[in-house]
Amino acid sequence: DAKTTQPNSMESNEEEPVHLPCNHSTISGTDYIHWYRQLPSQGPEYVIHGLTSNVNNRMASLAIAEDRKSSTLILHRATLRDAAVYYCILRGYTGKLIFGQGTTLQVKP
Amino acid sequence: GAGVSQSPRYKVAKRGQDVALRCDPISGHVSLFWYQQALGQGPEFLTYFQNEAQLDKSGLPSDRFFAERPEGSVSTLKIQRTQQEDSAVYLCASSLLGLGNTIYFGEGSWLTVV
Repeated sequence: DAKTTQPNSMESNEEEPVHLPCNHSTISGTDYIHWYRQLPSQGPEYVIHGLTSNVNNRMASLAIAEDRKSSTLILHRATLRDAAVYYCILRGYTGKLIFGQGTTLQVKP
Repeated sequence: GAGVSQSPRYKVAKRGQDVALRCDPISGHVSLFWYQQALGQGPEFLTYFQNEAQLDKSGLPSDRFFAERPEGSVSTLKIQRTQQEDSAVYLCASSLLGLGNTIYFGEGSWLTVV
């Protein structure tokens, strides 16, 4: 399973947009890009996923580079409840999610 | 409820005891995963079931760990002769078959071995 690289931590101000980057230079053509987040004392929560095209849902947007070697999770207006660890994961032919260390997002009021 | 349900939510075991952790996946979900999460770390894959078949158990740390899903729905993760390093949160997840489907996680079972 291909690996991803994320910054260890990021800060944002409340009600401002947040762009969380992820590099995945060894991605293969059939790997899906998944984003999950985990709040303290909770299980991981699905955020969004995509294959090639940009994706939008009620929680966030996913921007995928044309060469698919990187992607960005966009939270349009950060709230205090968005403070969490965000994981960028490639889901390949094995079907399992391989988590890295993720990015810890702090949101300041 | 409609989500993945795990029990017990919290378990304290004495070193050497056997424990069993239960997972009720979302109804109709063919795929079921178990993960182990140590404090401050990301979840680590343990094992994967497709219906009742255990297709991948590459992440099970030792032969003290055993998982089953006999009827293709409920799954049990059993840890024999628990040791302190087994203290962690054990997460269960389920999904429909297919890489484009969402994987849904339960809240986890918190195991503390004393």
